[in-house]
This record gives sequence, C-alpha cells and structure tokens, in this order.
Amino acid sequence: DAKTTQPPSMDCAEGRAANLPCNHSTISGNEYVYWYRQIHSQGPQYIIHGLKNNETNEMASLIITEDRKSSTLILPHATLRDTAVYYCIVSRLSNSGNEKLTFGTGTRLTIIP
Amino acid sequence: EAEVAQSPRYKITEKSQAVAFWCDPISGHATLYWYRQILGQGPELLVQFQDESVVDDSQLPKDRFSAERLKGVDSTLKIQPAELGDSAMYLCASSLTTGELFFGEGSRLTVL
Repeated sequence: DAKTTQPPSMDCAEGRAANLPCNHSTISGNEYVYWYRQIHSQGPQYIIHGLKNNETNEMASLIITEDRKSSTLILPHATLRDTAVYYCIVSRLSNSGNEKLTFGTGTRLTIIP
Repeated sequence: EAEVAQSPRYKITEKSQAVAFWCDPISGHATLYWYRQILGQGPELLVQFQDESVVDDSQLPKDRFSAERLKGVDSTLKIQPAELGDSAMYLCASSLTTGELFFGEGSRLTVL
C-alpha cells in the first residue's frame, strides 16, 4: 500500500477555509486518493476522491499535485460541525481485485468559534 | 436516506465469553466490510465480503474471530472467546461504488 502522512492536528477559525494536507509520495499510477472524516462517536463518512484531476463536490474540494505525491482537502467555509478526524487514504487493489481502504491515524481538525 | 444498521450499539462482556455483532448493509450493496477501531487509532479492516464470499480476511484473528454473510445480505461477526484486547468499536460498512463506503454507527465492545 502507498502510505500517507498527515499532520496529527490542526485548528481553523469558523468561516475560514480549512486546508488539510496529505503526503503520499509512493502512490502508484492506478491508485486513487480518498478522503473520509469521522465525527466523534460516529462511523467514518466519505467526502471525496480523485485520481489526477482536481475534484469538487458539495462538501469539499480535492487538489492533487501534478506529480501526485501530495494532495490537499479544502473545506471552503468551515463550520463547527466540521470538527472531526480527517483521513487521507490511498487505495490499492486487494487479491480479489476489489479496492481495499487502509485508514491511518488522520488529522484531528478543530474548528474554533 | 438508506443507512447501514448495526446492533448492538453497546456491548459489555467478560473475558472468555462469546459476543456477536450484526450488520444490515444498504440494500443492493454487494460489498460489505467489518472494521475494528481501537480508541485513538484509525479503523482497521478485519474482513471484506463480495456478496456471500470472503475476498479479504488477512487481518482477521481466525483463532477467535469469525464472520459470515449468508445469502449475501446481512452479516454477523463473532468473537469467541473475547479477550481484554478486543475492546474496541466494531464498524460495518457497505459499498456499491468501489472506494465510497457507507459506515454504520458501530458497535462498541468493552471486555472486562
């Protein structure tokens, strides 16, 4: 598996953009970058994923560098409800051909009022 | 909105006892996952099913853990006998599109 490196914690002021970095320098050409988040005492929630191009949905934007060795998840206008642990995951194919998602320890994002 | 259902939400048991968790995935989702999450760590995949077949159980401690998904719908994860180190959150997830997993709220196990 390509491993990811994330800062253990970050703070962001409410209403500002939260930019969460992730390094994945050993990513392979056919591996995707996924982002999930986990609010306290809940199961993880899918946010977004991408391969090469930048992606945007109603929750966030994902910026992947041209060499694909790092990416940034952007929450454009952070609210208190965005306080959570954010996981950056690089997918791989399991023996069966299905993708296997391996979670690390993530970044604990705290939104400050 | 369809959700992944898990039960029980909380379970307290003594070591050496048997414990079971149940998961009902979102209807139509062929892939089902069981993850274990120890406090302060990220979820760890225990077993992955495609329909009723196990496609990955490389991290499942098979001496005490078992999982089944009869008829390819709901699933049961069993631990026998439970050990102190099994205290964790057990998360079930299902997916239709590869990589986009929908998680349940989890079953929190405490082994005394």
